[in-house]
Amino acid sequence: TQLLEQSPQFLSIQEGENLTVYCNSSSVFSSLQWYRQEPGEGPVLLVTVVTGGEVKKLKRLTFQFGDARKDSSLHITAAQPGDTGLYLCAGAAILVTGGGNKLTFGTGTQLKVEL
Amino acid sequence: DVKVTQSSRYLVKRTGEKVFLECVQDMDHENMFWYRQDPGLGLRLIYFSYDVKMKEKGDIPEGYSVSREKKERFSLILESASTNQTSMYLCASSLKQGAGNSPLHFGNGTRLTVT
Repeated sequence: TQLLEQSPQFLSIQEGENLTVYCNSSSVFSSLQWYRQEPGEGPVLLVTVVTGGEVKKLKRLTFQFGDARKDSSLHITAAQPGDTGLYLCAGAAILVTGGGNKLTFGTGTQLKVEL
Repeated sequence: DVKVTQSSRYLVKRTGEKVFLECVQDMDHENMFWYRQDPGLGLRLIYFSYDVKMKEKGDIPEGYSVSREKKERFSLILESASTNQTSMYLCASSLKQGAGNSPLHFGNGTRLTVT
């Protein structure tokens, strides 16, 4: 089983601060996805990174895929209360049968941004 | 928008009961998944299905079975519920794509408590 470790597990910061969440594995993934989950809801996709070294930006969020496709980071600039949620990384391995993706999820980072 | 609907938000069952968790998606997705979510462990894959009547074990299939008689419906069955199966259960669906980039679309989860 491929494992994805996220750090930190919990993060409580003030509005306006910057933060970085890390997602690490010893396994290589074909792509990596980041999801955000709010209380009472299922995770929602934020971004997919595919190429080693790739950087994608989504407003104040910057996602990077490691050169070796084993790790990723999420950086949030000037965090806002609306960023509060559980952030999950997920590494994709191509299904042996049937096509499509099988995702291995990270352990999650619970972010709280306070006023 | 893709909609994944889980039949129950909350369930309370007794040890030894047979439990059915139902999931329906409305976007003609080929792949469907059942995950359980526990604090500090992220999402762990129980079973997935890439076609009608097809099923594959995930990382933690013990104590569970699944059924996919129709493309839009994927059921998770706990043959004899135990207290260690108390958890949040998330159903997801995705398109069948070979690149491993298709995102998962999640339901809002079923919180199951086994007493």
